[in-house]
Amino acid sequence: RKEVEQDPGPFNVPEGATVAFNCTYSNSASQSFFWYRQDCRKEPKLLMSVYSSGNEDGRFTAQLNRASQYISLLIRDSKLSDSATYLCVLIMDTGRRALTFGSGTRLQVQP
Amino acid sequence: DTGVSQDPRHKITKRGQNVTFRCDPISEHNRLYWYRQTLGQGPEFLTYFQNEAQLEKSRLLSDRFSAERPKGSFSTLEIQRTEQGDSAMYLCASSSLRFENTEAFFGQGTRLTVV
Repeated sequence: RKEVEQDPGPFNVPEGATVAFNCTYSNSASQSFFWYRQDCRKEPKLLMSVYSSGNEDGRFTAQLNRASQYISLLIRDSKLSDSATYLCVLIMDTGRRALTFGSGTRLQVQP
Repeated sequence: DTGVSQDPRHKITKRGQNVTFRCDPISEHNRLYWYRQTLGQGPEFLTYFQNEAQLEKSRLLSDRFSAERPKGSFSTLEIQRTEQGDSAMYLCASSSLRFENTEAFFGQGTRLTVV
């Protein structure tokens, strides 16, 4: 089983729509969680960290469910510029400090 | 430009040749990571340095791969006897040891094509 699993998509949504992605992780020792965004043929960039109590940054809301071992990302009022691949990322509390990435979920926002 | 810098951006090599990539992290960052990414996949962890110490290597990293960070600043990743399966984007990232769980900043990557 992969350490981090995501639906690859693509999610095709119209502008203005609300879209949600989930990500599940297998290692309960996972300590920290993030969503990264990666545009086509570009490097990944941090979108937001995910906190236990959930957190919001403008149109983006991230939530963590440790009991069920999943995190989610909600995007409201989608813009064309939101089209990208969204990578679920975690750091495991096993001494490893490296980021572990999911395969990503591709979002295409259409006019 | 104070971001993570990787060189070269693109490399085409013949199977069996050796290649070396360089990464210059953000200057105050102690942690440096190498990842490999193929089409449709997320970045796969290869190795991690804290200052000059290589603290972790993935099982993905065969003995043809070696990485160094001799003075705790820039790093090199060498692939010996390249194979077609080595074709991928090689990404370097750095982060600060000062704060736990801080953002990792990625370079633009080196795209390797083995022909």
